Amino acid sequence: DGGITQSPKYLFRKEGQNVTLSCEQNLNHDAMYWYRQDPGQGLRLIYYSQIVNDFQKGDIAEGYSVSREKKESFPLTVTSAQKNPTAFYLCASRSPGTGGNEQYFGPGTRLTVT
Amino acid sequence: AQTVTQSQPEMSVQEAETVTLSCTYDTSESDYYLFWYKQPPSRQMILVIRQEAYKQQNATENRFSVNFQKAAKSFSLKISDSQLGDAAMYFCAYRSVLGAGGTSYGKLTFGQGTILTVHP
Repeated sequence: DGGITQSPKYLFRKEGQNVTLSCEQNLNHDAMYWYRQDPGQGLRLIYYSQIVNDFQKGDIAEGYSVSREKKESFPLTVTSAQKNPTAFYLCASRSPGTGGNEQYFGPGTRLTVT
Repeated sequence: AQTVTQSQPEMSVQEAETVTLSCTYDTSESDYYLFWYKQPPSRQMILVIRQEAYKQQNATENRFSVNFQKAAKSFSLKISDSQLGDAAMYFCAYRSVLGAGGTSYGKLTFGQGTILTVHP
């Protein structure tokens, strides 16, 4: 079955540690995205990548980093510089083009930093 | 920059009844896409319906339909014959047609969400 996987579902870290969230897709999509979801707020874009070896900052990129070495994979690192890292993180992908192609979302990772 | 506003933090409906969720947006673009996504307790985001701004006809998907008022920048979602499985958080989202380099990078701008409760 085609889709997006994110692992793990729940992640716990101590303050000051970097942590990497996994996102893998087998939809053959070029574009991939990372969103953050906080209570009472909609999803906000952290980073996006249109193609392998290229990525761009979204609206709230500070304290995060990404890589895109393979088409299928777009891992997100939450660094110790991120002031409020506890949140729900969603990865998405989309086929390219200017049309109304929808974004497909993964199941998300809940990160708790104490 | 575009903004999306959902002014109803919570809504409730009786099973089999109809409910309308509101969404307004602000943009200077003439062509764009609008979406409604559903997020059930599993937190998996599911596309409910999409609307292309250049199409005047309102989109429909089975029990879900939209009222798209381009001049008023309004995009409401109507759920008919509500079912218990419709209970979820609903997000309105906006996407530009064109981004940097002449292609859409597909960024979605989301509203704050509306929690829908369905009573049996």
